[in-house]
Amino acid sequence: EAAVTQSPRNKVTVTGGNVTLSCRQTNSHNYMYWYRQDTGHGLRLIHYSYGAGNLQIGDVPDGYKATRTTQEDFFLLLELASPSQTSLYFCASSPGGAGTEVFFGKGTRLTVV
Amino acid sequence: GQGVEQPAKLMSVEGTFARVNCTYSTSGFNGLSWYQQREGQAPVFLSYVVLDGLKDSGHFSTFLSRSNGYSYLLLTELQIKDSASYLCAVRDRRYGSSGNKLIFGIGTLLSVKP
Repeated sequence: EAAVTQSPRNKVTVTGGNVTLSCRQTNSHNYMYWYRQDTGHGLRLIHYSYGAGNLQIGDVPDGYKATRTTQEDFFLLLELASPSQTSLYFCASSPGGAGTEVFFGKGTRLTVV
Repeated sequence: GQGVEQPAKLMSVEGTFARVNCTYSTSGFNGLSWYQQREGQAPVFLSYVVLDGLKDSGHFSTFLSRSNGYSYLLLTELQIKDSASYLCAVRDRRYGSSGNKLIFGIGTLLSVKP
C-alpha cells in the first residue's frame, strides 16, 4: 500500500514565524500535492509537483512556498506565518494519469497564534 | 466558473441506504472520484468514474451523468461504521495533460443511526 508520511503531526507557531512541513512518499509516485482543509471549504490545493525540481501553483498559493527536492520529498514552507494559515494540512501523492488514486498522508495540524 | 457542490450533512438508518449527491461545473471534466474521510483521519479513495451510468462496487456504488454535471455515491446495507465524511472530487484536464488536479467539494458528513 502506498505510504505518505508527514511530519510534524502537530505544530504551534507564532505569527510571523517560519514553519516547514515535510512529506515523504515511498512509492515512486510522480505527483505530490499539498492541500489545506478547513471547515466549510473542503480540501484546497496549495501547490503540487510532477517530479523533482518541478513546482506547480495550486488554487490557494498565497503565503506558501513549496519545494520538491527529490522524487520522494516535498516540503511546504510558511515564511511569515499568519493566523489565517491555521489549518489541517495534507500531503498526497499519485502515480499520474487520469483515474489514478491519490494517497493522502495523515495530516499536520498547524496552529498559528 | 468551476465548482463542486455537496450537501453538508446527511442522516440515515442502519441497515438501509444513503445517497450522497454531488454536482459540479467545469469545462474540462476528466473524471470524478469519491473519498471517505473519518474524523481526524486522511481521506481514503473509494471510487473513480469517467463514463455515464452506474458503477456497482458492492457496498459502494457510484453514478455519473456528465450531461447534468451530477454524480452520487450510494451506500447500501448501512452500518454504524459508515458514519464519515464523503468527499466528491472532480478531475480537470485543463490543469496539465494528465489532468491530475482534483477539485474537492466540502464533503458530506453522513451520520448512520441505529
